[in-house]
Amino acid sequence: EDQVTQSPEALRLQEGESSSLNCSYTVSGLRGLFWYRQDPGKGPEFLFTLYSAGEEKEKERLKATLTKKESFLHITAPKPEDSATYLCAVQVTEVGDYKLSFGAGTTVTVRA
Amino acid sequence: DTEVTQTPKHLVMGMTNKKSLKCEQHMGHRAMYWYKQKAKKPPELMFVYSYEKLSINESVPSRFSPECPNSSLLNLHLHALQPEDSALYLCASSQGIWYEQYFGPGTRLTVT
Repeated sequence: EDQVTQSPEALRLQEGESSSLNCSYTVSGLRGLFWYRQDPGKGPEFLFTLYSAGEEKEKERLKATLTKKESFLHITAPKPEDSATYLCAVQVTEVGDYKLSFGAGTTVTVRA
Repeated sequence: DTEVTQTPKHLVMGMTNKKSLKCEQHMGHRAMYWYKQKAKKPPELMFVYSYEKLSINESVPSRFSPECPNSSLLNLHLHALQPEDSALYLCASSQGIWYEQYFGPGTRLTVT
């Protein structure tokens, strides 16, 4: 069974204190790994798609990387507006199974 | 433009009411989704439409009835809901079933 595990559950950072979030996955064959940001009471906002080990994507203070077993979301010099829940989701290569399997999320709080 | 719109933003309904949630996208996406999200949990897939045909029904109770009138619109008809159905209902769309999904802001549903 496909599994996606995010750690830590919660992360409290001081403004400017860089850190990383982890998304580990156990799937039969990875087609794509997606990162989303979600603010309370709102829909998830798409951030990145990663397809193969070694791939990296960047957007402002966020950088996502992918290995064969996990992905990291690095937050560099975070600001209070980076406070949100970050979700990762995987999609597998199995024919007919294109659902996203979501992790439980990491809630990031950045204090000024 | 990567906008998915949903109406209404909030909905309070009794257990005997009939109501509908609406979702619209103008990105030319051919796949549309309904998700249910409970507090502090990741989104749970309910239905998938691909090229306006129902592709996935995740064993959702019949009191939820999806409809895809055309490639830009997605409805979710609600009837005889239970209090445990109270949640944030999210619509999403994607270029195809193998692409990243873009979520709408959600409808906060409360069943009394």
